Amino acid sequence: AQSVAQPEDQVNVAEGNPLTVKCTYSVSGNPYLFWYVQYPNRGLQFLLKYITGDNLVKGSYGFEAEFNKSQTSFHLKKPSALVSDSALYFCAVRDLGNNDMRFGAGTRLTVKP
Amino acid sequence: DAGITQSPRYKITETGRQVTLMCHQTWSHSYMFWYRQDLGHGLRLIYYSAAADITDKGEVPDGYVVSRSKTENFPLTLESATRSQTSVYFCASSDLAGGQETQYFGPGTRLLVL
Repeated sequence: AQSVAQPEDQVNVAEGNPLTVKCTYSVSGNPYLFWYVQYPNRGLQFLLKYITGDNLVKGSYGFEAEFNKSQTSFHLKKPSALVSDSALYFCAVRDLGNNDMRFGAGTRLTVKP
Repeated sequence: DAGITQSPRYKITETGRQVTLMCHQTWSHSYMFWYRQDLGHGLRLIYYSAAADITDKGEVPDGYVVSRSKTENFPLTLESATRSQTSVYFCASSDLAGGQETQYFGPGTRLLVL
C-alpha cells in the first residue's frame, strides 16, 4: 500500500523567509500527490496537487510544491512566509486505480513575526 | 449553504453506547469518505463510498459501520463505542474516480468516549 512520511513534526520560520515542508512517499505505481492545510478547529483545505506534467506545481496562497521522482519527494515551498501561514500541513498520496488516500502525520508550521 | 456539513460538532458518550455521526454534502459528489485524526497518525481512512449503496473498508474500519442510502448522506456509526475511538472525525467528498480528484472536507466532529 502507498505511504507518506513527513519527517518534521514542527517547522519554525521567521516572517518573510522562505519555508519548506518536507514530504516523501512510497507507491507501487504512478503517484497522485496532494497538500492540504488545516487551521485550528477546521477541516482540511486543499492547497495543490500533482498528477502529471510539470514537476513544479503552483497552488493556493502562494504555495508551490516540487515533485521529484528520483527522490520520491513532494516538498511544499513558499518564497516568503506570512504569520497567517501558521497551521498544520498534510501531505497525501494516492496510487493509480486505488481509492485509498494515505496522509502523512502532519507538520505544524509556525511563522513568527 | 452549499458544501459539506457534519453533525454533531462535539459529542461526549460512554463506553458501550451507540453513536452515529452524520455527514451531508450538497454537491452531489459520488465519492464520500470518513477519516479519523489522531495525534501522530495524521488522517486515517475508516470507510469510503463510491456511490449510493456502495461502501468499502479503508485502513481502520474495525468498530465502525457505514451506510449510504442517498448520495448526499454518509452516516458513520460506532455500534459500541470504546475509549480508543476518542478522536476527531472528518467526512470528505469528491467527484470523480481515478485519483485525480480533490477531496473536500467537512469541519469535523470531536468525539470523546468516557
